[in-house]
Amino acid sequence: DTEVTQTPKHLVMGMTNKKSLKCEQHMGHRAMYWYKQKAKKPPELMFVYSYEKLSINESVPSRFSPECPNSSLLNLHLHALQPEDSALYLCASSQEGYTVNEQYFGPGTRLTVT
Amino acid sequence: TQLLEQSPQFLSIQEGENLTVYCNSSSVFSSLQWYRQEPGEGPVLLVTVVTGGEVKKLKRLTFQFGDARKDSSLHITAAQPGDTGLYLCAGASGTASKLTFGTGTRLQVTL
Repeated sequence: DTEVTQTPKHLVMGMTNKKSLKCEQHMGHRAMYWYKQKAKKPPELMFVYSYEKLSINESVPSRFSPECPNSSLLNLHLHALQPEDSALYLCASSQEGYTVNEQYFGPGTRLTVT
Repeated sequence: TQLLEQSPQFLSIQEGENLTVYCNSSSVFSSLQWYRQEPGEGPVLLVTVVTGGEVKKLKRLTFQFGDARKDSSLHITAAQPGDTGLYLCAGASGTASKLTFGTGTRLQVTL
């Protein structure tokens, strides 16, 4: 099973709302990632969790708050977003500590900020 | 900063044609992956190459890793409409968790 699931598939939120994106994998992977992807561009890394600890934050604004409750789950809490934050948000997972960093992606959440 | 440049950026071809996509860098990677992404979906891993000079085939797709592990190519034989999508190469360095993604090649195959 190489499936990463993400919910919701689509999300529309106002600039004053608080919402959360969820990601789940059951491949036993100990590294999980959040990416942001704008149309026709490659994914941009936001956060990396390694063994449930935040290991990389790519200078992401504090209105994005990641959380890793356990080794299978990854959340991204959203608050006071801006219209320019509208994008496809992708979750991925991989084994940790290997030179072959094969990442498996979820289908993404299409976020629209109004 | 590691960069992966892909060329061409966009390719529109007819069914049955052959094509090659290039992924180039001045940095050495320990492994390199190729992904295909369809609109509104997440990237799907196609292949991983690890050894310099390595060639892997996946049906009509042939992937090659450069001898110096700085570049890679993807060749598609007899393209089909189902090959349409965004092709992304991504390089890994050592045991670092980060992948360096290429700039992407958008392929459109028409009947």
